[in-house]
Amino acid sequence: AQSVTQPDIHITVSEGASLELRCNYSYGATPYLFWYVQSPGQGLQLLLKYFSGDTLVQGIKGFEAEFKRSQSSFNLRKPSVHWSDAAEYFCAVVTSGGSYIPTFGRGTSLIVHP
Amino acid sequence: GAGVSQSPRYKVAKRGQDVALRCDPISGHVSLFWYQQALGQGPEFLTYFQNEAQLDKSGLPSDRFFAERPEGSVSTLKIQRTQQEDSAVYLCASSERGLAGSFADTQYFGPGTRLTVL
Repeated sequence: AQSVTQPDIHITVSEGASLELRCNYSYGATPYLFWYVQSPGQGLQLLLKYFSGDTLVQGIKGFEAEFKRSQSSFNLRKPSVHWSDAAEYFCAVVTSGGSYIPTFGRGTSLIVHP
Repeated sequence: GAGVSQSPRYKVAKRGQDVALRCDPISGHVSLFWYQQALGQGPEFLTYFQNEAQLDKSGLPSDRFFAERPEGSVSTLKIQRTQQEDSAVYLCASSERGLAGSFADTQYFGPGTRLTVL
């Protein structure tokens, strides 16, 4: 069964600093990978997704993620964090073998200090 | 344009009560998903509709949970005889295409219904 691990429950960064949120997945074939953001009291919003091709994916709000097959990772990055980026971030995977059900990680809470 | 809406946003129920949670997907979206999000966890799949057909209910935790989408648009998730372990945020999401494309499509999420069972 597919699984997703987000090893960091909380991440604290200063405004303007760079950010990297980690995501590792467990699945034999190449999965479809997603990053979502959830602000308090709101639903999840898709930041970016990877299916195939270029392993560096650009998303909304200045985020990017890199798929590394050798490390089974899909880490999310942003070069300069803004206070409005404080939220919960979820990595998700859908297997390419015909399933359509995403498996989500437990999330990483991003705290931004001024 | 309207996104996915859910009502009520908050629901407090006494243990044993029945509750009904409503989801209004984006107009014209074929796929509709329900998820349960426990405190401090990621969403977990409950059930999937393609139009009015419930194609997958493998994530429903017990037979107290029932979902329907009778006309292929609005969906209702019903929980009978609520228990404390049912306390969670229930999220609804819709996507444009049906099953064949739904795994790749962007899912648009509603704000969720926070259910608290006392």
